[in-house]
Amino acid sequence: QVQLVQSGAEVKQPGASVKVSCRASGYNFSDYYIHWVRQAPGQGLEVMGWIDTISGVTYYTQNFQGRVTMTRDTSITTAYMQLSRLRSEDTGLYHCTRGVGTRSSARFDPWGQGTLVTVSS
Amino acid sequence: IQVTQSPSSLSASVGDRVTITCRASQDIISSLAWYQQKPGKAPKLLIYAASTLQSGVPSRFSGSGSETDFTLTISSLQPEDFATYYCLQVDTYPFTFGPGTKVDIK
Repeated sequence: QVQLVQSGAEVKQPGASVKVSCRASGYNFSDYYIHWVRQAPGQGLEVMGWIDTISGVTYYTQNFQGRVTMTRDTSITTAYMQLSRLRSEDTGLYHCTRGVGTRSSARFDPWGQGTLVTVSS
Repeated sequence: IQVTQSPSSLSASVGDRVTITCRASQDIISSLAWYQQKPGKAPKLLIYAASTLQSGVPSRFSGSGSETDFTLTISSLQPEDFATYYCLQVDTYPFTFGPGTKVDIK
């Protein structure tokens, strides 16, 4: 079945970087974009951006521009999200998700299980 | 595009009919999806294109609406439906989520 499996929880100090992986299986990896979504503790869901898994072209939302880098390795069907210059407000659950459909039928499905990133000194 | 939801929370009993509303700040035609999230879990897709039921989702879930006003209805609330529900506008990137509606047991 279609599945996204993410790397394990991370604890980082302020100012450090974190790199989260997202391994895809059950479908042709290059046929779909991968999006990343952050959920701060007790908060809602915020889209961080996407990567075109064929070309490697990326789009980052304004809140994360300059600090986030999304990459992929098609040989192992894995996408990565690196966030740098971490601060305490970056503590949260980071999800990868597959972008499906077009126009009004667009949606995120499925989702990775989430990777908890804790930023603390 | 800003997205609001109401109510922010509600208490209901098993068997109740539950309605959650989502409003977009501009016309998004039918570009809206609904998700269910349980604590510690990833969001699960319920509805897309405002009213299309995702495969495998029980028929007690339904979606309606267009332009700026949308509704998610659970016709008869079941114990496994207690969760937080989010709408997602997919008209313009960056896609934006509503703040969520928490449904708990009365």
